[in-house]
Amino acid sequence: DVKVTQSSRYLVKRTGEKVFLECVQDMDHENMFWYRQDPGLGLRLIYFSYDVKMKEKGDIPEGYSVSREKKERFSLILESASTNQTSMYLCASSHVTGDYEQYFGPGTRLTVT
Amino acid sequence: QKEVEQNSGPLSVPEGAIASLNCTYSDRGSQSFFWYRQYSGKSPELIMSIYSNGDKEDGRFTAQLNKASQYVSLLIRDSQPSDSATYLCAVNIMIYNQGGKLIFGQGTELSVKP
Repeated sequence: DVKVTQSSRYLVKRTGEKVFLECVQDMDHENMFWYRQDPGLGLRLIYFSYDVKMKEKGDIPEGYSVSREKKERFSLILESASTNQTSMYLCASSHVTGDYEQYFGPGTRLTVT
Repeated sequence: QKEVEQNSGPLSVPEGAIASLNCTYSDRGSQSFFWYRQYSGKSPELIMSIYSNGDKEDGRFTAQLNKASQYVSLLIRDSQPSDSATYLCAVNIMIYNQGGKLIFGQGTELSVKP
């Protein structure tokens, strides 16, 4: 059974703080993704990674960075959190070949005050 | 810009009826198509994948794909109140040597009334 876990379900941070969101998958997937989801805006891709130490910008990378030091782990970093980064953050993973099915973690609801 | 379009709904059907959810996409080169179900406050859950033209059935769910018309649909037979959720259509856009990324539609909210 595919398992994607995220470090926190709920997180409250203050404006200007550095925030780390962590995602771990146990299916030996090459690709990992970070999305945010907001009402009326749908799922938007922030960054993705297709290999260790490799990253690609998604549709809304501004204000975010990522780190992938190990295949199973993909971190999203908010360098200086702002209130407009209050959102649901979702991590997903998939194989780089084959079916391309993406499996999601449970999500982190981040509130920046 | 690659796009995936869905009717936003809400779509309301009585319990036991067939719910029909539709999706169109713009990238003619896409080969992989997915339906996700998302309950309120939860993350998307993959329920169907389809790669070839025609129908694919899994229990009460049937996915239909027509690549010529760039159209994907999901039928839910014998709808249950527990099927009430938002359904997301997703299309894989290939990226050389990187597998690809999914483009999601905005989702269709389904409400099944007892």
